[in-house]
Amino acid sequence: GDSVTQMEGPVTLSEEACLTINCTYTATGYPSLFWYVQYPGEGLQLLLKATKADDKGSNKGFEATYRKETTSFHLEKGSVQVSDSAVYFCALLTGANNLFFGTGTRLTVIP
Amino acid sequence: GAGVSQSPSNKVTEKGKDVELRCDPISGHTALYWYRQSLGQGLEFLIYFQGNSAPDKSGLPSDRFSAERTGGSVSTLTIQRTQQEDSAVYLCASSSSGRGTDTQYFGPGTRLTVL
Repeated sequence: GDSVTQMEGPVTLSEEACLTINCTYTATGYPSLFWYVQYPGEGLQLLLKATKADDKGSNKGFEATYRKETTSFHLEKGSVQVSDSAVYFCALLTGANNLFFGTGTRLTVIP
Repeated sequence: GAGVSQSPSNKVTEKGKDVELRCDPISGHTALYWYRQSLGQGLEFLIYFQGNSAPDKSGLPSDRFSAERTGGSVSTLTIQRTQQEDSAVYLCASSSSGRGTDTQYFGPGTRLTVL
């Protein structure tokens, strides 16, 4: 069945450090891939998405590239800020129309 | 325009009681989803409504769970005879048409605690 595996946290980084959160997926067909973010005390928000192979989603300095050959969609940011502290969820959506989420990775950025 | 709203924001109930959770999707969105966010288990899909079609109930964990969507808008998730393992944050989302590339917009969730 469809599933998402993402890097377990928590992840703690200093401000301006590089971030990579790994995400790999298993899916039948050709899924769309998403990263959602949940800031403290807030609801889930879409961070970025990619709907086909080799697409790159980007937003707020974050990027992720849909790699079909490695079935991956790793989230990257070159220089994190304290305000990036949140829980990040990788997700995929297939023809079934419901999102399959990873377990989430908590990121804490310290000044 | 308002986003997805859910009520109540918090619900504490006793084991064995029934609860109803409400979701108001974004106006005009035809697709509505319920998810559950349990501690240590991430997010799991529960049920999906698209327009007037029969809902996809494949994610409901037991027959104690049911959901309705009246008039193609507001949805109610009902949990009968609640158990402690039902404690979780229940999230509702809506999207404009339910196509795979549509963004799902999430509500703030209802935190359910079963004592």
